[in-house]
Amino acid sequence: AQSVAQPEDQVNVAEGNPLTVKCTYSVSGNPYLFWYVQYPNRGLQFLLKYITGDNLVKGSYGFEAEFNKSQTSFHLKKPSALVSDSALYFCAVRDGASSGTYKYIFGTGTRLKVLA
Amino acid sequence: DVKVTQSSRYLVKRTGEKVFLECVQDMDHENMFWYRQDPGLGLRLIYFSYDVKMKEKGDIPEGYSVSREKKERFSLILESASTNQTSMYLCASNTLPREYNQPQHFGDGTRLSIL
Repeated sequence: AQSVAQPEDQVNVAEGNPLTVKCTYSVSGNPYLFWYVQYPNRGLQFLLKYITGDNLVKGSYGFEAEFNKSQTSFHLKKPSALVSDSALYFCAVRDGASSGTYKYIFGTGTRLKVLA
Repeated sequence: DVKVTQSSRYLVKRTGEKVFLECVQDMDHENMFWYRQDPGLGLRLIYFSYDVKMKEKGDIPEGYSVSREKKERFSLILESASTNQTSMYLCASNTLPREYNQPQHFGDGTRLSIL
């Protein structure tokens, strides 16, 4: 069965410092991995995805994510955090071996707080 | 840009009422999804639909039903609302997953309170 874990409920970082939000996954086939961001009272917005190819994926708003197959991880990163990055971040996975299924599995979310 | 519109941002209903949550998307997407979001539990899939009149149960379908009579509209129905259905409900859509790599587009959510 596919699953995704976000081990940290909250991450605090000072403005200007690099940030990392962690995600690990478990699938039986090739993973399709996604990061979404949710601002207060809004729906989720797509940030980036990994399908195949380069392990470093670049996305919206200066975010990037590093795919590590041996550690089954897909951590979200940004070199220099902004106060406006404060939001709830979700990692999601689809199992490439499960043809015909439309299910995405979402993590429980990590609240990022960037301190001025 | 894809727009997914949920008809209500906030809704207050009473236990036992039949509740309808409506979702419309404007990009001719085949797939539509209903999730509920609860603190510490993330997003859990209630139902999804991959075509008009087609639906499949997600992880937590009990107490809910859905309707998709037109491609752009996907309705979630609480047959007899209960207090444990108080939650944030999110609708999403995306295109046919030829390579299973299409991100979902979300509405802004409906915060439903059942009293």
